[in-house]
Amino acid sequence: QSVLTQPPSVSGAPGQRVTISCTGNSTNIGAGYDVHWYQQFPGTAPRFLIQANSNRPSGVPDRFSGSKSGTSASLAITGLQAEDEADYYCQSYDRSLSAWVFGGGTKLTVL
Amino acid sequence: QITLKESGPTLVKPTQTLTLTCFFSGFSLTTRGVGVGWIRQPPGKALEWLALIYWDDDKRYSPSLKSSLTITKDTSKNQVVLVMTNMDPVDTATYYCAHMTYSYGFDYWGQGNLVTVSS
Repeated sequence: QSVLTQPPSVSGAPGQRVTISCTGNSTNIGAGYDVHWYQQFPGTAPRFLIQANSNRPSGVPDRFSGSKSGTSASLAITGLQAEDEADYYCQSYDRSLSAWVFGGGTKLTVL
Repeated sequence: QITLKESGPTLVKPTQTLTLTCFFSGFSLTTRGVGVGWIRQPPGKALEWLALIYWDDDKRYSPSLKSSLTITKDTSKNQVVLVMTNMDPVDTATYYCAHMTYSYGFDYWGQGNLVTVSS
């Protein structure tokens, strides 16, 4: 069971907006550690999608955005496209475990 | 630009020791604040952080795997090595190395090395 909790799956039609939640606790997200998001296509390495809660690395479309509040974070994707169909993971640091922690991943399906 | 690439066996037998090497370029592991981590992903499952080594040789390990992991670096060769002892079939996974950002994220990843544990 992952330290960070994500919904197993989300879906949306092309052009719609979807959000993926990432819930932690007071020793990771709630302790002030940044949340990062990754996009992963089958058979490929994760891609750094959102850095430090809400910052997009170079090359990431502005359709992707991140936010953080309290012990949770969210990834939003607007103007959904077929190419966005992938697995998405959140990640933070946990001071109680002294460990980097990942969410269980969310599979995004574009209907 | 920053690149990383994992190298190691694709098949190991149960109880054997796994040695993986991460070859990197585009940054130095002697620069303050820099770290390289190892993350694995069993087939069809989530990412799991394993270990990380900092520029100053500070080493961190997953609490659940600490007893079986050793991470080292060779800054002259731009390499980071992960050793995992007493391999079990449940350790079958793709093993990635990655460059750590200042905010504890991983911005650059290797392509991954699929390791199957089977007799």
